[in-house]
Amino acid sequence: QVQLQQWGAGLLKSSETLSLTCAVYGGSFSGYYWSWIRQPPGKGLEWIGEINFRGNTNYNPSLKSRVSMSIEWSKKQFSLKLTSVTAADTAVYYCARGEVGATPTYSDWFDPWGQGTLVTVSS
Amino acid sequence: SYELIQPPSVSVSPGQTARITCSAVALANQYVYWYQQRPGQAPVLVIYKDTERSSGIPERFSGSRSGTTGTLTISGVQAEDEADYYCQSRDSSEDYVVFGGGTKLTAL
Repeated sequence: QVQLQQWGAGLLKSSETLSLTCAVYGGSFSGYYWSWIRQPPGKGLEWIGEINFRGNTNYNPSLKSRVSMSIEWSKKQFSLKLTSVTAADTAVYYCARGEVGATPTYSDWFDPWGQGTLVTVSS
Repeated sequence: SYELIQPPSVSVSPGQTARITCSAVALANQYVYWYQQRPGQAPVLVIYKDTERSSGIPERFSGSRSGTTGTLTISGVQAEDEADYYCQSRDSSEDYVVFGGGTKLTAL
């Protein structure tokens, strides 16, 4: 059974770079997209972007200028960087496995999810 | 931009049927997916490809889609079903994922 475990700094100051990593245990790393999704306190879910095992990425247009994702095959890990953070980036950040459907260039749904990491940005 | 519209809240008595809707013009051509999020926990996939129940999800959960509206139905709601439910789809023209605003299900 696949499990995702994530970690990273939980407290940042404005203008710093958010950095999170997610490790995949117990399943295949190829054939999927690996995604990041966030949830501001008391609010809904927002998709940040995804990367596949070949390093191909898709990003939310609203965050694209500040987001980068990378993948490390040997460790079965993938990472998120979000630059120039502000208080609006305060959220619980989740990693998730994206299941590829009929179109191989992106994922269709997300299962399972990591436990989540609360990232707070202070001014 | 592409939006998925959900009612903010749905309330039913235990044992009754709850229906949560998700609407968008683009759903006429895209699958809808459903997630359950209990307080303080990560979301869990409930329904994929409109109607398929995810592994381990009780049979009382079912999904359907008619035109531009997807519906999550919970038959015989139990207290443990109280949670936030999110629908999700994809804007294929922009290659990005969209979530609905979420619906809080309360079992009165």
